[in-house]
Amino acid sequence: KQEVTQIPAALSVPEGENLVLNCSFTDSAIYNLQWFRQDPGKGLTSLLLIQSSQREQTSGRLNASLDKSSGRSTLYIAASQPGDSATYLCAVNSNSGYALNFGKGTSLLVTP
Amino acid sequence: EAGVVQSPRYKIIEKKQPVAFWCNPISGHNTLYWYLQNLGQGPELLIRYENEEAVDDSQLPKDRFSAERLKGVDSTLKIQPAELGDSAVYLCASSLGVQGNYEQYFGPGTRLTVT
Repeated sequence: KQEVTQIPAALSVPEGENLVLNCSFTDSAIYNLQWFRQDPGKGLTSLLLIQSSQREQTSGRLNASLDKSSGRSTLYIAASQPGDSATYLCAVNSNSGYALNFGKGTSLLVTP
Repeated sequence: EAGVVQSPRYKIIEKKQPVAFWCNPISGHNTLYWYLQNLGQGPELLIRYENEEAVDDSQLPKDRFSAERLKGVDSTLKIQPAELGDSAVYLCASSLGVQGNYEQYFGPGTRLTVT
């Protein structure tokens, strides 16, 4: 079964810092990997989707990379803002099934 | 374009009572998913539909949970009877297809509290 791990579990940074969230997965046979944002009491908002053939995707201040062979992905957030405070979830769509396998998330707090 | 719609947003019931959640996916999305999210955890799949067919329900506790997707559009997830351990957020998601390259879009979820 695909296992997805996110490190760190929680992160607090001052506004303006660049930061990196890490995601690792055990089975490299994947279709794609998605990064989501979840605000307290809310659903999931898709941030970036990286296909298995891609190395990275960018959207605004966000950049996600994928190293499928090593089972790793990173989400880079540039010039963090207090509005970026949320839980960030990494999810893998494996070849063995079509549901997303999620990590437990990284809880991010950006302080003014 | 409207997103995935779920109702109710919150539900509080006593144990042993029945409860139902409703989901309307994004128009044109053939694939519909129900996920369960416990506090501090990532969502886990309960059931996946392709049109009106449940193609993956291996994680659905069938003794008390049931789901349907009549006409291949909206879906209902039911619990009967509810137990204390069912308190969680129930998320519905949809996608255009399943062959790996389709993004999943999530609704706001239904937060269930069983007392």
